[in-house]
Amino acid sequence: EAQVTQNPRYLITVTGKKLTVTCSQNMNHEYMSWYRQDPGLGLRQIYYSMNVEVTDKGDVPEGYKVSRKEKRNFPLILESPSPNQTSLYFCATWTGSLNTEAFFGQGTRLTVV
Amino acid sequence: GIQVEQSPPDLILQEGANSTLRCNFSDSVNNLQWFHQNPWGQLINLFYIPSGTKQNGRLSATTVATERYSLLYISSSQTTDSGVYFCAVDPLFDRGSTLGRLYFGRGTQLTVWP
Repeated sequence: EAQVTQNPRYLITVTGKKLTVTCSQNMNHEYMSWYRQDPGLGLRQIYYSMNVEVTDKGDVPEGYKVSRKEKRNFPLILESPSPNQTSLYFCATWTGSLNTEAFFGQGTRLTVV
Repeated sequence: GIQVEQSPPDLILQEGANSTLRCNFSDSVNNLQWFHQNPWGQLINLFYIPSGTKQNGRLSATTVATERYSLLYISSSQTTDSGVYFCAVDPLFDRGSTLGRLYFGRGTQLTVWP
């Protein structure tokens, strides 16, 4: 079964404590990306990766880091989380070919206090 | 960047009613998807529809790429249809290339009452 798996699903943390949200896919997709969702704003892209070791900034990259050391994993790293990073986060994958759809993970609800 | 506008922003229906949600976008697209976000926050992929018409049970969608809009039809609404409906597009650049980046509209909040 095609899956995009995020962990954890829920996380409450304190300001400044480094955290990592993992994303793993079993579809051998080239493209992976991270989005955040805030009330009234829809989803906005944070970072994306077109292949292993190739990453680039999306629309709201400040305060985040990513790495793509292997094709199946694309972790999102918050080195020093702040309350304005409280949000719902989604990982997405895509084949990289035209005329194919994107697949989303189940979401990670992060609260920074 | 590409603009994605959804309407209406809010929709309240009684069970059994039909509805139409609209998505307008400003440039040519490689991909257009409709999602339903349930009350638990999970994104459910409803349709991949960069052009043409598709149907899945009580839901159907039509995209007219040349006129840059897509419509999502919900017939015989049920309370379980409540939630936020998002349209997302992946723009095409010159020479038909894409970055695989989805741009989301702000969604339509649908509430269906029994």
